[in-house]
Amino acid sequence: KAGVTQTPRYLIKTRGQQVTLSCSPISGHRSVSWYQQTPGQGLQFLFEYFSETQRNKGNFPGRFSGRQFSNSRSEMNVSTLELGDSALYLCASSLVPSTGGSEAFFGQGTRLTVV
Amino acid sequence: GQNIDQPTEMTATEGAIVQINCTYQTSGFNGLFWYQQHAGEAPTFLSYNVLDGLEEKGRFSSFLSRSKGYSYLLLKELQMKDSASYLCAVRGSGAGSYQLTFGKGTKLSVIP
Repeated sequence: KAGVTQTPRYLIKTRGQQVTLSCSPISGHRSVSWYQQTPGQGLQFLFEYFSETQRNKGNFPGRFSGRQFSNSRSEMNVSTLELGDSALYLCASSLVPSTGGSEAFFGQGTRLTVV
Repeated sequence: GQNIDQPTEMTATEGAIVQINCTYQTSGFNGLFWYQQHAGEAPTFLSYNVLDGLEEKGRFSSFLSRSKGYSYLLLKELQMKDSASYLCAVRGSGAGSYQLTFGKGTKLSVIP
């Protein structure tokens, strides 16, 4: 069965622009979580979606937003990009939220570089 | 909130045993997870502990003490392919707190 698919894999954007990243979870998985990974801060939780509803949100500014569609695919958007937004953005899918970590599968991530 | 600490880097010899420690301070607890992440790749699940004690899975074992806010990941018979970052993560409890909070990871280098 196909894994978690994130597109694009790599992206270069200019400060002030906005960007949309996509995540397709494993078939049948309805929960999608997003994380930002940087060398200095490690993996930080952005938000979690389940059945098109945002369940949890991390401590990120309002420039970071997301949504989930009826087919469980999710997108996250970052507006007014800053240099500090350069990071690896990871998406994880699971059957339902709040289940064991063994059921959370990560995608390969989108490497965003802001110049 | 959650605070998770683990060593930044460790080095061990092929064939040896290494223990990676993780301490946490949380406002709620609903499980501790270990993930492995090779450079440039996605994290992959290794283990999950929610009750005190040792969970063994092949060459990897994980231990949890909830009263001490402490966990460790034990890797036996180290192989070169075990060179990776190891991430400790805690899941909160209560409404709206199911996300995982990760430590910054321990970069393990296995040398011949």
